[in-house]
Amino acid sequence: SAVISQKPSRDICQRGTSLTIQCQVDSQVTMMFWYRQQPGQSLTLIATANQGSEATYESGFVIDKFPISRPNLTFSTLTVSNMSPEDSSIYLCSVDRATDTQYFGPGTRLTVL
Amino acid sequence: DQQVKQNSPSLSVQEGRISILNCDYTNSMFDYFLWYKKYPAEGPTFLISISSIKDKNEDGRFTVFLNKSAKHLSLHIVPSQPGDSAVYFCAASARISDSWGKLQFGAGTQVVVTP
Repeated sequence: SAVISQKPSRDICQRGTSLTIQCQVDSQVTMMFWYRQQPGQSLTLIATANQGSEATYESGFVIDKFPISRPNLTFSTLTVSNMSPEDSSIYLCSVDRATDTQYFGPGTRLTVL
Repeated sequence: DQQVKQNSPSLSVQEGRISILNCDYTNSMFDYFLWYKKYPAEGPTFLISISSIKDKNEDGRFTVFLNKSAKHLSLHIVPSQPGDSAVYFCAASARISDSWGKLQFGAGTQVVVTP
């Protein structure tokens, strides 16, 4: 498994502002992922972040709205830009241990007013 | 479109009895399936997985069954314990054809284990 931490654990933000979420893993991993869980919905993959390359975004998600950084093998950030109430969600990072299994962080609960 | 479906939003079961959670999928390219458990205010916790080359995988109280022809899998928890009360997510990936690591999740089933 993996020990994954996220900061902040929750935040309440104003419309039009941006929030950067951090994800820290206890050991080096090749692939990190960012998911979103909107209220009452399932988890949806936003993008895959590999160290040393541009993030790969899923359909419906764009880099201008969700810029991602992956400066090293234990850390990644996801920024939610120009927020609107529709961005209110739980944002989760996960890592792949090359064991066909993803392990998730505790999540960041974002509320946009 | 929702390629992984959990049609039962909730399940109530007595402590000590069997919990059966169901999951259906539509994409025949899925070849790896996982179950996660999620408590409120926590991230999903991996429970058990199964590859499409198998039809059963067991780990302690948890057993996952896969019926490829019906595109259906189920998770059995025996015996159910109060600590099993959580939301359970079914997830699937198409490792051959899709980008590695792209998990498609079902909507989740809320399990409540009563004394």
